[in-house]
Amino acid sequence: EAQVTQNPRYLITVTGKKLTVTCSQNMNHEYMSWYRQDPGLGLRQIYYSMNVEVTDKGDVPEGYKVSRKEKRNFPLILESPSPNQTSLYFCASSLNGVGYYNSPLHFGNGTRLTVT
Amino acid sequence: AQTVTQSQPEMSVQEAETVTLSCTYDTSESDYYLFWYKQPPSRQMILVIRQEAYKQQNATENRFSVNFQKAAKSFSLKISDSQLGDAAMYFCAYRSSRLTFGEGTQLTVNP
Repeated sequence: EAQVTQNPRYLITVTGKKLTVTCSQNMNHEYMSWYRQDPGLGLRQIYYSMNVEVTDKGDVPEGYKVSRKEKRNFPLILESPSPNQTSLYFCASSLNGVGYYNSPLHFGNGTRLTVT
Repeated sequence: AQTVTQSQPEMSVQEAETVTLSCTYDTSESDYYLFWYKQPPSRQMILVIRQEAYKQQNATENRFSVNFQKAAKSFSLKISDSQLGDAAMYFCAYRSSRLTFGEGTQLTVNP
């Protein structure tokens, strides 16, 4: 089954304790991205990757890191989480290349992160 | 930078009736696509419908259709014969080299 697998689904942590949210897709998609969803703000892009070893900042990259060492994986790293990073996070993937604008995003099931 | 605005934080509709959700966007690009995504309480993001900017014909998917007004930069979603399962948060999205989402509209369907 074609899917984007995101883990964990729920995560509660304390300020400053490094954490990683994993994301893996089995559709051979070049494009992967991370979003955070907050009430009244919709989904805002954190980082995106057009292909392996290519990553770029989105609209809200501060406090986050990503890596794209393999095509299928795109982990989100919070080196020193803070309470303002409490949010619902989504990983997504899609096709890339010429004409990729019409490719819909395939989303993971989300990670609810709480930083106390 | 592109912006997407959904001016209706909440909407409600009676079962079997029709509702329209609004979306406007701002861009200077000519090549882009527009999407509507649905997020039910399960928080899964589900593609509802998409529209190519270069096509004048409005996209339709069963009970879902769009009213795409390119000059006005408007992309509204019409849901006909509303069903209880349509209750969800709906997000409008714009995609070119970047992907931008609107703030979302929470739709309630009353029995």
